[in-house]
Amino acid sequence: GAVVSQHPSRVICKSGTSVKIECRSLDFQATTMFWYRQFPKQSLMLMATSNEGSKATYEQGVEKDKFLINHASLTLSTLTVTSAHPEDSSFYICSASRAAGGRTDTQYFGPGTRLTVL
Amino acid sequence: KQEVTQIPAALSVPEGENLVLNCSFTDSAIYNLQWFRQDPGKGLTSLLLIQSSQREQTSGRLNASLDKSSGRSTLYIAASQPGDSATYLCAVRPLGGGSTLGRLYFGRGTQLTVWP
Repeated sequence: GAVVSQHPSRVICKSGTSVKIECRSLDFQATTMFWYRQFPKQSLMLMATSNEGSKATYEQGVEKDKFLINHASLTLSTLTVTSAHPEDSSFYICSASRAAGGRTDTQYFGPGTRLTVL
Repeated sequence: KQEVTQIPAALSVPEGENLVLNCSFTDSAIYNLQWFRQDPGKGLTSLLLIQSSQREQTSGRLNASLDKSSGRSTLYIAASQPGDSATYLCAVRPLGGGSTLGRLYFGRGTQLTVWP
């Protein structure tokens, strides 16, 4: 159990376009989902935390108007990169937690989405 | 702010060797520490999770230890195999609440290559 999927796994787009990435918990209800970004040979950096039905909490330095997060249901969160630029090219990974970020709950990670902006 | 450092950044060994990967963190106020494996272009697979009250966890050929007071953890891999080749990430969950509740702080990882 506790499987998290992401779609698409890989996307290439032109500069200036918007890209939507989906994160789904397949066999459990995820009260909290986390979005991370990973540059080559770098650590995962948390971008934002989203709780179902409420606004996402963004980390310092992450533009909320550029990275739109929607967590409309207990099994789906979406990250939309608006007006993407080449510097947004990265590996985006989501994770899902059953509890509301509770300390006792494990985060289950998705397989990631490779975004390349030309 | 919590900072997590992993040493070495890369490691290349012949099959069969016993390995030690190191992780250090700056703030000892953690709830738990977790070791992950990441294959190229893939997501994360959780290997071991150590609660702050524990000293070590074992799973098969893997053993992770935690010394919270000194801010260190080690991942020991016994009898390494080519299939162990991957990047190993260390992550800590802080004790703090509020905006830090549930978040993980990751190191950059150790890229391991085990050759036959």
